[in-house]
Amino acid sequence: NAGVTQTPKFQVLKTGQSMTLQCAQDMNHEYMSWYRQDPGMGLRLIHYSVGAGITDQGEVPNGYNVSRSTTEDFPLRLLSAAPSQTSVYFCASSSTGISNQPQHFGDGTRLSIL
Amino acid sequence: SQQGEEDPQALSIQEGENATMNCSYKTSINNLQWYRQNSGRGLVHLILIRSNEREKHSGRLRVTLDTSKKSSSLLITASRAADTASYICATVTSGYALNFGKGTSLLVTP
Repeated sequence: NAGVTQTPKFQVLKTGQSMTLQCAQDMNHEYMSWYRQDPGMGLRLIHYSVGAGITDQGEVPNGYNVSRSTTEDFPLRLLSAAPSQTSVYFCASSSTGISNQPQHFGDGTRLSIL
Repeated sequence: SQQGEEDPQALSIQEGENATMNCSYKTSINNLQWYRQNSGRGLVHLILIRSNEREKHSGRLRVTLDTSKKSSSLLITASRAADTASYICATVTSGYALNFGKGTSLLVTP
């Protein structure tokens, strides 16, 4: 039972490079989201999706892009990496929205931008 | 935006002791959730308590919610070394965002 799988686990990029963080879940969850976790701060929502073909912005969406072509996958794209995007990124999913459902998290992608 | 604030920031106890962590928030909530995060890992859901509930139990965990004081507490009884982790509260107000606190770092020594 894999749950939420994130790849890669670690990545180092140079400023200006682009990359895609992968997130896949095998629980047939409708709701998926991306958070970033920075030292001394709580997790902050980047983008979320309530189902295939539907995405929306969270609290800190600038510099990131998402799409949801399938229920299982929700990739996060960094368009032009900046040092301020150095962070740990977490993908989460739940069967429906957040109002009454716990979130299932992946183990994160640790990203460094040089 | 951060709403939950955990207290204390760090807590060190010995195995067998109880650990209590508190979470305060600012605006009315739909529900409040507690998560555990082990070093280098993702968050694991522990308990969800709705705004009309006052107390919930799960194994050695007990969560209370006082909406009049806008606060919640997480009690871990008979702590074990394996309970060493960060404990994070998250509130749901409306929409599709969970508002996470920074967490309480718990160290349980043998």
